Amino acid sequence: QVQLQESGPGLVKPSETLSINCVVSGYSISRGYYWGWIRQPPGKGLEWIGSIYHSGTNYCNPSLKSRVTISLDTSKNQLSLKMSSVTAADTAVYYCARQEDYYESSGYGYYFDYWGQGSLVTVSS
Amino acid sequence: QTVVTQEPSFSVSPGGTVTLTCGLSSGSVSTSFYPSWYQQTPGQAPRTLIYSTNTRSSGVPDRFSGSILGNKAALTITGAQADDESDYYCVLYLGSGIWVFGGGTKLTVL
Repeated sequence: QVQLQESGPGLVKPSETLSINCVVSGYSISRGYYWGWIRQPPGKGLEWIGSIYHSGTNYCNPSLKSRVTISLDTSKNQLSLKMSSVTAADTAVYYCARQEDYYESSGYGYYFDYWGQGSLVTVSS
Repeated sequence: QTVVTQEPSFSVSPGGTVTLTCGLSSGSVSTSFYPSWYQQTPGQAPRTLIYSTNTRSSGVPDRFSGSILGNKAALTITGAQADDESDYYCVLYLGSGIWVFGGGTKLTVL
């Protein structure tokens, strides 16, 4: 059974860099799939942050791209998210998720099939 | 910037049928956007319901179904139950490695 577990700092000061890790068990991230980060501000909807392929190719939400770095550490079987220059607007529950792929005549599709439980990060001084 | 639109809220009676939709601020949704749907209850991580427009994820009851209706993706719940009261999110793939979540629909069963 694939399981994902986020670990974050809980509290980050404004203008600092937020760092969250997501340890994956039950599957080796180097074998395949995209691995994504999604966040949810309190009382609001879900927002895709970015995704990284097992090869290292990664994509980010254009609205966050300048502040976000997503990476994989295959030795620890984990993915990491770094977000710089945080403000109160970055306060959210941060989720990691695996993106399963499937093929259709129009090409490859992806969906989030396994999710972590989420890590609340509050940005406050 | 492309926005994925969902009804903010919807209400259905127990045993009733409800269709939630997922559209685009400009243009039509087709299967080429690879729509997927997720259910989320308060304090929990999202649960995958539907992918590839109309394929149910493992363990999802067949009262949940996905489709394209007109120019939108749709999630239909047939025979709604009390524990279907949740937030529902769609995700569309816009291409070039960009995925976008809809704003979510809060479904009330009463």
